[in-house]
Amino acid sequence: NAGVMQNPRHLVRRRGQEARLRCSPMKGHSHVYWYRQLPEEGLKFMVYLQKENIIDESGMPKERFSAEFPKEGPSILRIQQVVRGDSAAYFCASSSEADTQYFGPGTRLTVL
Amino acid sequence: KNEVEQSPQNLTAQEGEFITINCSYSVGISALHWLQQHPGGGIVSLFMLSSGKKKHGRLIATINIQEKHSSLHITASHPRDSAVYICAVLTGANSKLTFGKGITLSVRP
Repeated sequence: NAGVMQNPRHLVRRRGQEARLRCSPMKGHSHVYWYRQLPEEGLKFMVYLQKENIIDESGMPKERFSAEFPKEGPSILRIQQVVRGDSAAYFCASSSEADTQYFGPGTRLTVL
Repeated sequence: KNEVEQSPQNLTAQEGEFITINCSYSVGISALHWLQQHPGGGIVSLFMLSSGKKKHGRLIATINIQEKHSSLHITASHPRDSAVYICAVLTGANSKLTFGKGITLSVRP
């Protein structure tokens, strides 16, 4: 049973470009969470999704950020018109119901 | 004041020592996670607990719901235990995790 998979592991973008981060949850998990870890800071919740639904997006910046978890395929965190302040590690976690969250390896985004 | 506080902030130990890392929280929770993160690495979930005590290998986690406090103990510490240990609490109906800032542990050979 493969763990949570994220790709790419490292992503470099220039200011103004779009970044797409993908997360494939563990088999059988229908709950996906995205977290952001800014340099020298702790992890912060961004968004919680179930299949085709956004359950809680209270941690998402109001502009440029969006997330989806379609019926088929991975969950996508999309950042439009990236800025240097978006440089961070983005972690995805998955769970089945209200159970232990298992984390992916993260995507490290660098904005030049 | 942060909702989740961890202490000490940094910790250095000698190989073989017994180590305790503490976590206090100020909100109502449904469960608490202990996570491990190696430098530049991913995050590993060590424990999720809502009461009592759990043990896995050399790691023991305890939680006191009334006192809103949890501890992570490492017995017979080893240099490979060097990592950041993060306490996170599960709050609200939407299973949102709120994280402490993490403790950086260095175990010297």
